[in-house]
Amino acid sequence: DAGVIQSPRHEVTEMGQEVTLRCKPISGHDYLFWYRQTMMRGLELLIYFNNNVPIDDSGMPEDRFSAKMPNASFSTLKIQPSEPRDSAVYFCASTSGGRAAGELFFGEGSRLTVL
Amino acid sequence: DQQVKQNSPSLSVQEGRISILNCDYTNSMFDYFLWYKKYPAEGPTFLISISSIKDKNEDGRFTVFLNKSAKHLSLHIVPSQPGDSAVYFCAASRNTPLVFGKGTRLSVIA
Repeated sequence: DAGVIQSPRHEVTEMGQEVTLRCKPISGHDYLFWYRQTMMRGLELLIYFNNNVPIDDSGMPEDRFSAKMPNASFSTLKIQPSEPRDSAVYFCASTSGGRAAGELFFGEGSRLTVL
Repeated sequence: DQQVKQNSPSLSVQEGRISILNCDYTNSMFDYFLWYKKYPAEGPTFLISISSIKDKNEDGRFTVFLNKSAKHLSLHIVPSQPGDSAVYFCAASRNTPLVFGKGTRLSVIA
């Protein structure tokens, strides 16, 4: 079975550019999460969806960040405009079972470098 | 404020010995705790979990201990193997998305 698929794996961009990260969750999973990993803050939750509906976006750093889930098999995280402090590894994860807690299945991550 | 704390950024252990990774939490409402393992350039993968109604859960070489009164959990790996070298994340929840610690990098030396 395919796991969570993220693209791109690596993205290098210049400050001010728009960045779009993509995620395909595991089929049948009804929860999707976006986490960001940095040395300073570890793994922090940005936003999560249940049945394609955003439930909590309080972790999104600022208005430059936005996320969508147009259908059960696709989600995007967009940063516009990007800044050097956005450099991090962004993980998408999904799970099922009717609760937001539980074993999460992570993608391999998208490493973003903003110059 | 960090609700889940892993105070040791790194740990080195000799092959065959026991590795003990520690985690503290501040939110007494958490009722479910997990450990994830992460290799470089990969996503975290689930390792073991424990519910707050238990104080120990064992899976092969991995055992998680929970001390609710101290708000502390630990992961024991015995015997440690070179393939265990990775970053280990502690996570906690109460029917909410997992809150992760910053991770501890374990190096098992052959």
